[in-house]
Amino acid sequence: AQSVTQLGSHVSVSEGALVLLRCNYSSSVPPYLFWYVQYPNQGLQLLLKYTTGATLVKGINGFEAEFKKSETSFHLTKPSAHMSDAAEYFCAVSEGNYGQNFVFGPGTRLSVLP
Amino acid sequence: EADIYQTPRYLVIGTGKKITLECSQTMGHDKMYWYQQDPGMELHLIHYSYGVNSTEKGDLSSESTVSRIRTEHFPLTLESARPSHTSQYLCASRARTSGNTIYFGEGSWLTVV
Repeated sequence: AQSVTQLGSHVSVSEGALVLLRCNYSSSVPPYLFWYVQYPNQGLQLLLKYTTGATLVKGINGFEAEFKKSETSFHLTKPSAHMSDAAEYFCAVSEGNYGQNFVFGPGTRLSVLP
Repeated sequence: EADIYQTPRYLVIGTGKKITLECSQTMGHDKMYWYQQDPGMELHLIHYSYGVNSTEKGDLSSESTVSRIRTEHFPLTLESARPSHTSQYLCASRARTSGNTIYFGEGSWLTVV
């Protein structure tokens, strides 16, 4: 069975500071990993995903994430936070391209302080 | 860009009323899902479908029902709404051709008074 943990239900950073949102997963097969962002009163929007190949994945809005198999991690980073980055962020894992299950983490709320 | 649509976006109804939340996708995805999410909280899978005439209950018990008569359409129905059903309902779809990515609609906010 798969699972996802996100360390920190709420993260606050100052505008211009580094954003680091943590995600660890467990999977018995090579995983596909995803980060989604949710703005208030909206659905989830795909930020980036890792399937195979390059372990450093770049997404929209300047975010990127690195797949580290040895650490079972897929942390999300952005060098410089912007006020518009304030949102809820969800990490998710699926069992490769044919896996039926798609498991979401509990989410991390990112606040950006002026 | 995903093409998955939910209606209504916002709805306030009285206790005991029947309500159907509509969800349609134009991507031909075989898998569709309904999630329930309270404000600022995690997602809970309540129903899913792997194709026409296939529906299953998710991890969170729900009094709602779903149907999948057409590939593109996956409506969710509450026969008798209660205040405890007040929540956001998110519809989503997925296909292997999309790299197994799940795409979400904008959500339907339901308030039962």
